[in-house]
Amino acid sequence: AQTVTQSQPEMSVQEAETVTLSCTYDTSESDYYLFWYKQPPSRQMILVIRQEAYKQQNATENRFSVNFQKAAKSFSLKISDSQLGDAAMYFCAYRSPGTASKLTFGTGTRLQVTL
Amino acid sequence: ETGVTQTPRHLVMGMTNKKSLKCEQHLGHNAMYWYKQSAKKPLELMFVYSLEERVENNSVPSRFSPECPNSSHLFLHLHTLQPEDSALYLCASSQDRTAEKLFFGSGTQLSVL
Repeated sequence: AQTVTQSQPEMSVQEAETVTLSCTYDTSESDYYLFWYKQPPSRQMILVIRQEAYKQQNATENRFSVNFQKAAKSFSLKISDSQLGDAAMYFCAYRSPGTASKLTFGTGTRLQVTL
Repeated sequence: ETGVTQTPRHLVMGMTNKKSLKCEQHLGHNAMYWYKQSAKKPLELMFVYSLEERVENNSVPSRFSPECPNSSHLFLHLHTLQPEDSALYLCASSQDRTAEKLFFGSGTQLSVL
């Protein structure tokens, strides 16, 4: 079974600085999808970024980018120019390809953004 | 317009009560999901509906009973719950059951006394 591990329960970053959130996963599959979801205090989870394992190029979405290391089974999220609105819980998730609808989530990292 | 609306936002119930959680999506999606979020635990997938048909029941106790009357609405009927069922219950939808991109509601925070 796939597992997703987020080893940092809490992180803190100053406004305008850069922070990296870690995620590792365990799988025997060669093709899969990885996601980062953000859950602000409003509780509504929002997709931040998505990576397909067969793509070597790291995904980017504005200030958010990932460092995908397939061999190491690592999928970290980098947030540049951090803003107060980035404060939230961040969840890493894994999904097998095909019609399987099950996402496997990590336990989350709470990010604080300070002035 | 959040796309996925859940009611109620908070719910407190006794172990003998019967209550229902409601989810409505305005995105024209074909798949809907119930997730359970407990503190310090990964999100747990409970149920998946695709085109109003239940396609996954992730070993959930029978005291949780889902209902999907149409592709826009999803309910979770609760009865004789236990205190350990207290959690945030999140509804989500996606275009289809491949879960390429999930759209979540704001959840119902459930407390079982």
